[in-house]
Amino acid sequence: EPEVTQTPSHQVTQMGQEVILRCVPISNHLYFYWYRQILGQKVEFLVSFYNNEISEKSEIFDDQFSVERPDGSNFTLKIRSTKLEDSAMYFCATGRGREGYNEQFFGPGTRLTVL
Amino acid sequence: AQSVTQLGSHVSVSEGALVLLRCNYSSSVPPYLFWYVQYPNQGLQLLLKYTSAATLVKGINGFEAEFKKSETSFHLTKPSAHMSDAAEYFCAVSRSGSARQLTFGSGTQLTVLP
Repeated sequence: EPEVTQTPSHQVTQMGQEVILRCVPISNHLYFYWYRQILGQKVEFLVSFYNNEISEKSEIFDDQFSVERPDGSNFTLKIRSTKLEDSAMYFCATGRGREGYNEQFFGPGTRLTVL
Repeated sequence: AQSVTQLGSHVSVSEGALVLLRCNYSSSVPPYLFWYVQYPNQGLQLLLKYTSAATLVKGINGFEAEFKKSETSFHLTKPSAHMSDAAEYFCAVSRSGSARQLTFGSGTQLTVLP
């Protein structure tokens, strides 16, 4: 069964450093999402991406964050200058269709620890 | 705006007992509702979803949920718990139009006792 994969599974970085989290979507999916979950808190939407541009983004997704699909396969989330409060589990999700009833398939997550 | 409330951050049941995990939603338009399960060190896996076709929705692993508009609820049930059901369960809401992102509840950790 096809699945979403994410690398690395765990990333430790120093405050102020840039990190890139990578996701390989399911091959025929066109809609891509990033969510994050700070320890003990809800899973929160960050951004959605379709047709090589951002469709929607939350208030969390400020200028420190960016997304791209550089080679048509990987979907990446970049955090330019990490802060302590960026420590969280980051989930990539992908979906086939546009409408809200379409299932989103989640990857296993990347645990980001900012020291 | 849409939101989801999950009552009970931790629920414990005995093996073979009924599982009931509660979810209430708030949405200004008819919602799409989802239950996801997360096993340790894994991603979120869809259990079932409500998309207005039928109010009683059956999912994987023997789970089902009933959409009750009058109560704004979408509680998850399973008649007989199994040890392998121990996991964290998330209720989520989406809607048609531009807001396709999922809004999640805070999750319920289910423990199954032998």
